[in-house]
Amino acid sequence: AQSVTQPDIHITVSEGASLELRCNYSYGATPYLFWYVQSPGQGLQLLLKYFSGDTLVQGIKGFEAEFKRSQSSFNLRKPSVHWSDAAEYFCAVGAITGGGNKLTFGTGTQLKVEL
Amino acid sequence: IAGITQAPTSQILAAGRRMTLRCTQDMRHNAMYWYRQDLGLGLRLIHYSNTAGTTGKGEVPDGYSVSRANTDDFPLTLASAVPSQTSVYFCASSRDPQDTQYFGPGTRLTVL
Repeated sequence: AQSVTQPDIHITVSEGASLELRCNYSYGATPYLFWYVQSPGQGLQLLLKYFSGDTLVQGIKGFEAEFKRSQSSFNLRKPSVHWSDAAEYFCAVGAITGGGNKLTFGTGTQLKVEL
Repeated sequence: IAGITQAPTSQILAAGRRMTLRCTQDMRHNAMYWYRQDLGLGLRLIHYSNTAGTTGKGEVPDGYSVSRANTDDFPLTLASAVPSQTSVYFCASSRDPQDTQYFGPGTRLTVL
């Protein structure tokens, strides 16, 4: 069974600073990887996804993530954080089984942006 | 574009009562999903449906049932609610089971 670890429960950065949110996964085959963002009281919005191909994936809102198979990681990065990026971020790994796409989510990282 | 709608937005329910959470999508997606979100646990899959007429169990199916009579609707029923089912429930859909999942706005359910 697949699993996802987001080791940082809370992260605080200053506006304009760079950001890296960590995500480690466990899965026996090539995973499908996702980053979602959730603003307070809202649903989840897809930031980016990795299915195959280029290991550096560009997403919306200036985010990117890099798939590193050797480290079982899919860290999310942004070079300059904006106050509106404050939200909770979820990494997820998908496994295609006979029952379809089973997404397993990490427990999330809450991002606070200081002005 | 409406995407996925969920109803109600929030609900307070007495333990033992029956409750159906509604989910409708207008994207003609084949696959639909129900998750619950609990603090510190992330999102966990309750039930899924790869196509109309079929359903399957996720990680935490006990106490919940679903049906998929048509492509657009995927209701989640709590036959006899218990306090441990207090949670935020998210419905999601994807074009096909292996595609990206898109989420609804959620239903906040409190069982007293």
